[in-house]
Amino acid sequence: QQQVKQSPQSLIVQKGGISIINCAYENTAFDYFPWYQQFPGKGPALLIAIRPDVSEKKEGRFTISFNKSAKQFSLHIMDSQPGDSATYFCAALYNFNKFYFGSGTKLNVKP
Amino acid sequence: NAGVTQTPKFQVLKTGQSMTLQCAQDMNHNSMYWYRQDPGMGLRLIYYSASEGTTDKGEVPNGYNVSRLNKREFSLRLESAAPSQTSVYFCASSATGAGLGYTFGSGTRLTVV
Repeated sequence: QQQVKQSPQSLIVQKGGISIINCAYENTAFDYFPWYQQFPGKGPALLIAIRPDVSEKKEGRFTISFNKSAKQFSLHIMDSQPGDSATYFCAALYNFNKFYFGSGTKLNVKP
Repeated sequence: NAGVTQTPKFQVLKTGQSMTLQCAQDMNHNSMYWYRQDPGMGLRLIYYSASEGTTDKGEVPNGYNVSRLNKREFSLRLESAAPSQTSVYFCASSATGAGLGYTFGSGTRLTVV
C-alpha cells in the first residue's frame, strides 16, 4: 500500500506554461514534505520542502502548496522550461527518520 | 566533490549469485539509507541506519542484508539474487535523521537474469 499517492504519472507542458503535480497522504504523523527532482542516470536531488504548519512555500519558479485538512500537497512550476524536464517525486517524512516517496511524475516541457 | 559515492554503477548477476553494493559518504552524516527504484513504484526503503552501529528494516527488506561498517560506509548485500531484485538501487545519507532531506548517490543499476 503506497503511503503517498502521486499524480499524474506523466505530464507534457509547453515552454512558459505551469506544471502542477499533486500528492496525497493518509498518515497524519508525517511532518515534513519535500519534493525531489531526478534527471536520467542521476540520483534524486532535493528541490524544495515544506512543513505542515505552513500553507505555501515559494523558491524562485517552484512553489509548494500544502492543505493540511485535505492531506494534500502540490508542486507548481511556473514559466516551465525545457531544462525542467525530469522526474519529480514527492515525499513525506515519518518519525524523523524515514521518507516515503510517491511513485513519480515524468515531466516533459516542450520548447 | 563531497557527496555519496556508490559502486558499482552497473551489474548483471545470474539468479542465485551474491553481491554487495557499496556506499560511502564524506559529509559526516549520521544516517544512511538504501532504496530501490522501480518503474511506477517510486523509491522504496530497503534498510536504513540512523547512526553508526544501528540498522533497521524499511518497507522491502526481504532478500537483503546491510552492514554499517563505520560512519562513512553502508553496504547492501544480496545473498541469493532473484530476478525480482532487478532494479536501480540508491544510497542516501542525511545529517541527523532526515529532517533536512537526503543526499542521494547516483545509483547502481542491477539486472538479475
